[in-house]
Amino acid sequence: DAGVIQSPRHEVTEMGQEVTLRCKPISGHDYLFWYRQTMMRGLELLIYFNNNVPIDDSGMPEDRFSAKMPNASFSTLKIQPSEPRDSAVYFCASSLGGIGANVLTFGAGSRLTVL
Amino acid sequence: SQQGEEDPQALSIQEGENATMNCSYKTSINNLQWYRQNSGRGLVHLILIRSNEREKHSGRLRVTLDTSKKSSSLLITASRAADTASYFCATDTGANNLFFGTGTRLTVIP
Repeated sequence: DAGVIQSPRHEVTEMGQEVTLRCKPISGHDYLFWYRQTMMRGLELLIYFNNNVPIDDSGMPEDRFSAKMPNASFSTLKIQPSEPRDSAVYFCASSLGGIGANVLTFGAGSRLTVL
Repeated sequence: SQQGEEDPQALSIQEGENATMNCSYKTSINNLQWYRQNSGRGLVHLILIRSNEREKHSGRLRVTLDTSKKSSSLLITASRAADTASYFCATDTGANNLFFGTGTRLTVIP
């Protein structure tokens, strides 16, 4: 397996633009997580899915953020409209089973810069 | 707020030396995991230790857990330049979320 695949790796956009980040989890993994990493706040869980269903989105900062998982092999994280404070590295991770006794496999991340 | 705090924030050692990183956390846990992050890359899982375990080994890695002190340590023996990375502890409190610490940036000088 190629691991968790994220795109784009780098995105530079202007404030107010829509941003869509994409993730392909490891085949067979039933949990998918979106994390955000910043220097100030470290790694924060935004939302996670189980079998394509959003389970906990309490970490999503605002209504400007939305995430979907239309099928087991694809998820998107959308920011509309984007703001400079959204600049961060966004990671997607997947696991077989929940976090409990399992580990997360992370993608390489999408570095977002909002000017 | 973050559950874990790593100490030190940064560590620089010579190749061949041992590196020790510490993690303190706030609430009871089911297990604690350590991850490594190379610059510009995603996190890679290193080792998981359950709350009823006190020590675990994996290759050159040794992890200890003291639930009475709410702390864990990661020891990397005979360090190599390739071990240069940031190391994070992550706690599972049963809420199906991993709470990551602030990380220790390790530099191994060849």
